[in-house]
Amino acid sequence: DAKTTQPTSMDCAEGRAANLPCNHSTISGNEYVYWYRQIHSQGPQYIIHGLKNNETNEMASLIITEDRKSSTLILPHATLRDTAVYYCIVRGSGGYQKVTFGIGTKLQVIP
Amino acid sequence: EPEVTQTPSHQVTQMGQEVILRCVPISNHLYFYWYRQILGQKVEFLVSFYNNEISEKSEIFDDQFSVERPDGSNFTLKIRSTKLEDSAMYFCASRVAGQGTEQYFGPGTRLTVT
Repeated sequence: DAKTTQPTSMDCAEGRAANLPCNHSTISGNEYVYWYRQIHSQGPQYIIHGLKNNETNEMASLIITEDRKSSTLILPHATLRDTAVYYCIVRGSGGYQKVTFGIGTKLQVIP
Repeated sequence: EPEVTQTPSHQVTQMGQEVILRCVPISNHLYFYWYRQILGQKVEFLVSFYNNEISEKSEIFDDQFSVERPDGSNFTLKIRSTKLEDSAMYFCASRVAGQGTEQYFGPGTRLTVT
């Protein structure tokens, strides 16, 4: 699985959009970009994933650059409950698809 | 919305004792996983399970660990003789079949070995 690079921490004002970047310059053609988050030692929570196209669901949007070497997770209106560690993970679609977590980005939403 | 459940939420045991951590994956899921997270550290993969057998395991998953799907709904992790360093949060996860499908994680069991 390709390596990812994320900032260690970020702050965001409540109600504003949170934009979390991720670099994955060694991503290969069949690897997906996944985002999970972990709120204070709870189980990791799946947010969104994509291959090439931008994706949106009820939680977030995922913007993947055309060369697929980086992506941005967007939480459109951050709330205090979005304070968590966010993990960007690049993973192939084959095999048994274990998730390899890095240290992620600690997002602090500020009132 | 269906979710992965785990019991107990907290287990305290003495060193050398056996523990069994229980998980109920989402009902139509076919792939099952255990992960652990030592306090302050990353979430680490332990084992994946498919079609009633282990499909992949990490170096952490040594002979002291075993997994089982004893019936159609439960998925268990057994630690035969616990050590102090087994103290951690243990997360179960599951997913449906198919390429690129996401894993859904349970809330975890906090294991404390004294």
